[in-house]
Amino acid sequence: EVQLVESGGGLVQPGRSLRLSCAASGFTFDDYAMHWVRQAPGKGLEWVSGISWNSGSIGYADSVKGRFTISRDNAKNSLYLQMNSLRAEDTALYYCAKGRWAAAAPFDYWGQGTLVTVSS
Amino acid sequence: EIVMTQSPATLSVSPGERATLSCRASQSVSSNLAWYQQKPGQAPRLLIYGASTRATGIPARFSGSGSGTEFTLTISSLQSEDFAVYYCQQYNNWPPRLTFGGGTKVEIK
Repeated sequence: EVQLVESGGGLVQPGRSLRLSCAASGFTFDDYAMHWVRQAPGKGLEWVSGISWNSGSIGYADSVKGRFTISRDNAKNSLYLQMNSLRAEDTALYYCAKGRWAAAAPFDYWGQGTLVTVSS
Repeated sequence: EIVMTQSPATLSVSPGERATLSCRASQSVSSNLAWYQQKPGQAPRLLIYGASTRATGIPARFSGSGSGTEFTLTISSLQSEDFAVYYCQQYNNWPPRLTFGGGTKVEIK
């Protein structure tokens, strides 16, 4: 059974940093692209960042480019999102999602999310 | 950035009726289009990918069509469990620059 479990969310002050993690199991992690998607309270889905199976291709939404860094550790079956210079508008539930194949693909499995609240 | 526009924002439908949801891309995404369903308090669920291929376990009452810039999700006969928010997503770019539409809420009429 595929499982994606996010962690690392919490309350953080504007301008500070936070690192999210996603522990994956139930599939061959290094065969697939992985992504972060967020959802602000009461709002729609926003793709944040994605990374190819071997970390060779990485992309970011314009809203987080230069502040967030995605990475993965295939030996640990883990995905990460380093979030720096956080802003109030980064407040959201952050989902880890698995790509259906190695590169451009829809997301066939999602975690339950970890909540990030940016507030003073 | 490819902008995805969904319409209508809210669709009021009676159980058993057909629902038709639209999604438009600001430029061609070929058939690299997916639909997701999200219920309150739950993560999204993949319904359709490749514009028209149902994901594993998705009932046949869900169908997708379109290519290029115009796409449609049809729910042929709405069941109580289908009332939810539906999102389209393009995955045409690599390195990834994926985008979601704003969503269509399907509510009980």
